[in-house]
Amino acid sequence: AIQLTQSPSSLSASVGDRVTITCRASQGISSALAWYQQRPGKAPRLLIYDASSLEGGVPSRLSGSGSGTDFTLTISSLQPEDFATYYCQQFNSYPFTFGGGTKVEIK
Amino acid sequence: EVQLVESGGGLVKPGGSLRLSCAASGFTFSSHSINWVRQAPGKGLEWVSSISSSSSYIYYADSVKGRFTISRDNAKNSVSLQMNSLRAEDTAVYYCARRGRDGSKKFDYWGQGTLVTVSS
Repeated sequence: AIQLTQSPSSLSASVGDRVTITCRASQGISSALAWYQQRPGKAPRLLIYDASSLEGGVPSRLSGSGSGTDFTLTISSLQPEDFATYYCQQFNSYPFTFGGGTKVEIK
Repeated sequence: EVQLVESGGGLVKPGGSLRLSCAASGFTFSSHSINWVRQAPGKGLEWVSSISSSSSYIYYADSVKGRFTISRDNAKNSVSLQMNSLRAEDTAVYYCARRGRDGSKKFDYWGQGTLVTVSS
C-alpha cells in the first residue's frame, strides 16, 4: 500500500500568515492526490483534487501543487476559519490511503 | 442538494455484528462509486471500503477484509456496510463518501458520520 507522510503534524500560526503543508508519497502517484479540511466534530471537506484543482466554493487563498511523490497545500493568508486539521489522500491505487493529518492551530 | 446520511451505528460487544447504511439523495446515485471512511477517536482518517456504481468493483482495506461486506441498492439509493467479528479497534466514526463522477480522484461529498463503539 502507498503510504502518505504529512509534515508537520501540527503547526501554530497567526491570522494573515502563509502556511504550507507537505505530503510525501512512498511511491510516485502522478497527480492523483486530494486535500481535505476537517473541523472538530465535522465531516471532512474536499479542498483540492488532482493535486492542484480547486474544488468549487473553496477560497482562492488555498492552493495545491506537486506531482510524483511530493505535494504541498498552501494557504496564502490564514483566516480564522482555516484553523482545522488537513489531510491528503492518494487515488493512484487501492487502498486509497490518507496522510496522518496536519493540525493548524492559532498562535 | 447532495445528501448522504449514515445510520446504524451503536454499541456492540467484541465479536458482534452491526450493519451501517448510507442513504443518498440529490444526485444520480447509480453514477457514483461510494466509499466508507472511518476515524477512530482522536485519530486520523482511514479508508475502509469502496463499491463501484454498478457493484462490479469492490475493495476493502486489509484491516477489515474478510469481516466487512459492502453492498448497494441503486433502486433504493443506498449503500450498506455489514460489519462482522467486530473488534475494539473498529471503534470509530464511520463516514460514507461519494466519489466524483467518472472515477474522478476525489471524495466530493461526505455524510455526517455514525459512531460505532465496540466494547464489552
